[in-house]
Amino acid sequence: AQSVTQPDIHITVSEGASLELRCNYSYGATPYLFWYVQSPGQGLQLLLKYFSGDTLVQGIKGFEAEFKRSQSSFNLRKPSVHWSDAAEYFCAVRDSGGSNYKLTFGKGTLLTVNP
Amino acid sequence: SQTIHQWPATLVQPVGSPLSLECTVEGTSNPNLYWYRQAAGRGLQLLFYSVGIGQISSEVPQNLSASRPQDRQFILSSKKLLLSDSGFYLCAWRETGGELRFFGSGTQLSVL
Repeated sequence: AQSVTQPDIHITVSEGASLELRCNYSYGATPYLFWYVQSPGQGLQLLLKYFSGDTLVQGIKGFEAEFKRSQSSFNLRKPSVHWSDAAEYFCAVRDSGGSNYKLTFGKGTLLTVNP
Repeated sequence: SQTIHQWPATLVQPVGSPLSLECTVEGTSNPNLYWYRQAAGRGLQLLFYSVGIGQISSEVPQNLSASRPQDRQFILSSKKLLLSDSGFYLCAWRETGGELRFFGSGTQLSVL
């Protein structure tokens, strides 16, 4: 069964600092990978996704993520964090084939941004 | 444009009471609809999904049920709530062949 691990429950960074949120997945074949962001009391918004091709994918709000098959990782990065980036971030994986669409989410990483 | 409405935003219910959460989608036809639950520190768990009217698939055995009486309406119900039903419930939809991009703003359910 596929699974997603986000090792960091809570990360605090200063505004303007760089950010990297870790995500490791367990999946037998080539996965489809996603990052979502959830602002307090809100639903989720899709930041970016990786299906195939270039392993560095760009998303909205200045985020990017890199797929590393050898490390089973899909870490999210941003070169300079803004206070509005404070939110919870979820990594997710789904089956690249089959007719049953099912996303498996990690437990999330809460990002706090200090002024 | 597509929008998703979910209500109520917050709900406090006693143990043993019934539950009905509603989700409606606008601006699309025949969406695939999903109910997720987010319990504290546990990420998001898929509860139900529906690919069409009257078609419900359950992912985990539980005290809840779902129904889809209309194309763009998805309802989450319970006859008798348990303490363990507390959590943040999110409705989501996607177009057939598309990705899960649209989530409602959620309902925070507290069962006391």
